[in-house]
Amino acid sequence: DSGVTQTPKHLITATGQRVTLRCSPRSGDLSVYWYQQSLDQGLQFLIQYYNGEERAKGNILERFSAQQFPDLHSELNLSSLELGDSALYFCASSVEGAGYNEQFFGPGTRLTVL
Amino acid sequence: QQQVKQSPQSLIVQKGGISIINCAYENTAFDYFPWYQQFPGKGPALLIAIRPDVSEKKEGRFTISFNKSAKQFSLHIMDSQPGDSATYFCAASRWEGKLIFGSGTRLLVRP
Repeated sequence: DSGVTQTPKHLITATGQRVTLRCSPRSGDLSVYWYQQSLDQGLQFLIQYYNGEERAKGNILERFSAQQFPDLHSELNLSSLELGDSALYFCASSVEGAGYNEQFFGPGTRLTVL
Repeated sequence: QQQVKQSPQSLIVQKGGISIINCAYENTAFDYFPWYQQFPGKGPALLIAIRPDVSEKKEGRFTISFNKSAKQFSLHIMDSQPGDSATYFCAASRWEGKLIFGSGTRLLVRP
């Protein structure tokens, strides 16, 4: 158990809908990363927050947004969902926002868009 | 320049054998190279990591070999066990911490 929690574990929804994925980092970790894992694209970095502020952005679609709250939990919002958005979404946390800190991954949320 | 290339895509090894997975990177600004292990239905878990100021790091049966001039690094799993059967990802990052992952290697260790 990494100490990173993600909810829900599974999510099934329809195209055009909007969903919210939630992540609680390990106690004491200030940085949260979101990654998408799909069969064709592998593990792709989406976005990083550090202590409430956006720190880095990767291949995140404009239909996706995220935020980190004062209690350091983070939410990833996916809107206007398409079939291709079906994937595993992982959250990871680390103590600091930069450098060589180990990133601890949560168990993931499996999103299925029908 | 952000890519990390990983090979092989899949690997079958007999119990007790050595598993070797290779990765190559292009961006010389990368300075942290972790390996992650992922079991089905689980998130990736850090196995071992190396900085480019050393050429080798060993933790138990797991060793990273790093060749800075060739921009390559590899994971060696000694005395491979069936419990090591999983997908392994190499990754690289710069100071800002976001990980660029390789495409993964599915390892099967036969009893």
